[in-house]
Amino acid sequence: KAGVTQTPRYLIKTRGQQVTLSCSPISGHRSVSWYQQTPGQGLQFLFEYFSETQRNKGNFPGRFSGRQFSNSRSEMNVSTLELGDSALYLCASSRDTGELFFGEGSRLTVL
Amino acid sequence: ILNVEQSPQSLHVQEGDSTNFTCSFPSSNFYALHWYRWETAKSPEALFVMTLNGDEKKKGRISATLNTKEGYSYLYIKGSQPEDSATYLCATPDGATNKLIFGTGTLLAVQP
Repeated sequence: KAGVTQTPRYLIKTRGQQVTLSCSPISGHRSVSWYQQTPGQGLQFLFEYFSETQRNKGNFPGRFSGRQFSNSRSEMNVSTLELGDSALYLCASSRDTGELFFGEGSRLTVL
Repeated sequence: ILNVEQSPQSLHVQEGDSTNFTCSFPSSNFYALHWYRWETAKSPEALFVMTLNGDEKKKGRISATLNTKEGYSYLYIKGSQPEDSATYLCATPDGATNKLIFGTGTLLAVQP
């Protein structure tokens, strides 16, 4: 059974640019959550999508957005990038609530 | 704001040592407690999801206990091996949701 797949794995952007990250969940999983990991901060919840609807949202500015498609694949977008957005972005899928299955993450560096 | 704390922040043990770490969480409005293992360059992997007070779960040499009344969980590793080296994260959902609030983790290094 294929795991959670995130693309791209690594990317470098400059301040002011925007970025789109993609996540393909495990087949049959309808919930996709996004987390940001920065040194010293741990994993911070960004948002969760379930059946194409945002079900939960964390405390991040409006520059961070996401969406989910009918096949449960999800994308997150960060506009007007800032240096502080440099982080590992993790996607996780689950059937509904419960155990999360994580991807390996997309490491974003903002210069 | 829901706060999850883990201690110690890091731990260095010798191969064969047994070790344990703590996760503290709010005891009110408790739904579940998750433990994840995160090895370097890999993705976090669920170890346990616990919901019942007094519950104890075991997977090989790793076990966990849960006290929801006082708001803590212990993770135990018996006879640590170098392959146990990882960051161990605990998390609890904010309500009956998938919005998990994570602790900052305990980094375990097992020296051969």
